[in-house]
Amino acid sequence: DAGVIQSPRHEVTEMGQEVTLRCKPISGHDYLFWYRQTMMRGLELLIYFNNNVPIDDSGMPEDRFSAKMPNASFSTLKIQPSEPRDSAVYFCASSSTHRVPWSSGNTIYFGEGSWLTVV
Amino acid sequence: GNSVTQMEGPVTLSEEAFLTINCTYTATGYPSLFWYVQYPGEGLQLLLKATKADDKGSNKGFEATYRKETTSFHLEKGSVQVSDSAVYFCALSAPDSSYKLIFGSGTRLLVRP
Repeated sequence: DAGVIQSPRHEVTEMGQEVTLRCKPISGHDYLFWYRQTMMRGLELLIYFNNNVPIDDSGMPEDRFSAKMPNASFSTLKIQPSEPRDSAVYFCASSSTHRVPWSSGNTIYFGEGSWLTVV
Repeated sequence: GNSVTQMEGPVTLSEEAFLTINCTYTATGYPSLFWYVQYPGEGLQLLLKATKADDKGSNKGFEATYRKETTSFHLEKGSVQVSDSAVYFCALSAPDSSYKLIFGSGTRLLVRP
């Protein structure tokens, strides 16, 4: 089975440019998460969706960041304009709900990450 | 709020040594607990999980027991290999934090031949 697919795997861009990261969740999963990983701050949850609807975007750093999920099989994270401090690994992850979600400890599956460098 | 605390790394061991990486948590209610592993240049992979007190998660020779009385979920392996070198993340998921996985800061393990 295909896992969570992210693109691009690596991107180097100049400050001020727009960056778009893409994610295809595992088929049938109804939750999608965007995480950012840096040395300084570790893993941070930026935003998550349920059934394509953004549920919690409190982790989005600022207005330069936006995320969309137009359908169940695709999501984007956009940074406009990008800044050097946005350099990080951005992970997309997906999960599915169960009838009684908390009793089973839903597993979240991560993509391989998009490694962004803003110079 | 809910949180996870891991021992700081890096942890450096010789091959075949015993491994313990400590993890304690703070949560209301009854969280599910996880260990994720990140190999160099890769994303996170679920290593093991436990969903209720006294459960033991195990996978690839790694084990962790959900200890509610000590709010801990320490990761252990009896004999590490060079291929176990990676960063290990303890995490929790709790009802009052919806579907947010709350991660610890990660512990880097380096196993020398």
